[in-house]
Amino acid sequence: AQSVTQPDIHITVSEGASLELRCNYSYGATPYLFWYVQSPGQGLQLLLKYFSGDTLVQGIKGFEAEFKRSQSSFNLRKPSVHWSDAAEYFCAVGAPMDSSYKLIFGSGTRLLVRP
Amino acid sequence: DGGITQSPKYLFRKEGQNVTLSCEQNLNHDAMYWYRQDPGQGLRLIYYSQIVNDFQKGDIAEGYSVSREKKESFPLTVTSAQKNPTAFYLCASSVQGTGELFFGEGSRLTVL
Repeated sequence: AQSVTQPDIHITVSEGASLELRCNYSYGATPYLFWYVQSPGQGLQLLLKYFSGDTLVQGIKGFEAEFKRSQSSFNLRKPSVHWSDAAEYFCAVGAPMDSSYKLIFGSGTRLLVRP
Repeated sequence: DGGITQSPKYLFRKEGQNVTLSCEQNLNHDAMYWYRQDPGQGLRLIYYSQIVNDFQKGDIAEGYSVSREKKESFPLTVTSAQKNPTAFYLCASSVQGTGELFFGEGSRLTVL
């Protein structure tokens, strides 16, 4: 069965420091992979997605992620974190469902940013 | 601006009452979804619809019902059969076949 693991429940970084959020997936074929961000009490916003091709994908707000098939990982990175990046981050894998896809989400990583 | 509108943002319900959460989209998307979010559990799929007048159960459909009479609308009813309805509910839509979801801002339901 498809699944997504985000091993870090919380991460705290200082403003200006680099960030890496981990995501591991379990899926039998080439996956569709996503990272979403959620501010408190809000919906989710798509940061970036990987469907095929270049394994390093660029997203909004200066985020990037790298697909590593050998490690079944899709880690999210940002070279310099801003205080406004404090939020919860969800990794998701797209699993085929009828003629569409169902997203299976990880349990999320909450990012705290120290001034 | 195109987007997804959920209402109400906050809702309180007494035990034994049914409540309906509204979801409207003007993105012209065929597929619509309802997810439930609980702390520390990520998002779980309740129901989805890929076309008008058709919908399927997701992973946690028990105690919920939906309808899809119009392309733009996908309301969710939380029935009294749902044993633990207090949660944050998120509606989403997508272009058919992409898997990329666009989310509304959510509705928080609290059972008193």
